[in-house]
Amino acid sequence: DTAVSQTPKYLVTQMGNDKSIKCEQNLGHDTMYWYKQDSKKFLKIMFSYNNKELIINETVPNRFSPKSPDKAHLNLHINSLELGDSAVYFCASSQFPSPLHFGNGTRLTVT
Amino acid sequence: AQTVTQSQPEMSVQEAETVTLSCTYDTSESDYYLFWYKQPPSRQMILVIRQEAYKQQNATENRFSVNFQKAAKSFSLKISDSQLGDAAMYFCAYRSAGYSTLTFGKGTMLLVSP
Repeated sequence: DTAVSQTPKYLVTQMGNDKSIKCEQNLGHDTMYWYKQDSKKFLKIMFSYNNKELIINETVPNRFSPKSPDKAHLNLHINSLELGDSAVYFCASSQFPSPLHFGNGTRLTVT
Repeated sequence: AQTVTQSQPEMSVQEAETVTLSCTYDTSESDYYLFWYKQPPSRQMILVIRQEAYKQQNATENRFSVNFQKAAKSFSLKISDSQLGDAAMYFCAYRSAGYSTLTFGKGTMLLVSP
């Protein structure tokens, strides 16, 4: 009965490839997010969706494209992967003003 | 834009002792929420405690309590009777009342020794 689940847990790929990370929440929350945690552990918001509508799009390269087919799912597609994209990507959900619930993260390694 | 500052990159504590992690934030808003999240080596993000800015009473959750000083924009986390399982990275986070995302500090790594 995992609340926020994201797949895969680990992703190793080569530069130039395209990859996707999937996220699903079963909490009935309206809002979902993608956060990036860099090598220094700093967490930064990338995108936020509310009821399938994009509401926050921070300064993120166009190679990153989120997609929300319904309010329980928010996927992240990354084109033309670069070395600097290596990080841990967290999906989260919330029903404001409740706290964010995070998935367990996807560690992306680009070689 | 709001900023969250955690000035202690690393803290150490012995089992059964008490430790306090510092957090300050910068905001012009009067209504907001503050959180402490714990990230153990498993990299899971676990909510430790939350505080609503309009509440004067400091939040407590078992061995975890906060010292919320609104005028000073300070939100420290006190861990009492520290346990080995408390070893983790701790993040302080800010959320506006009318805005759903969290702004995080850079984290404090807590080391617990037997």
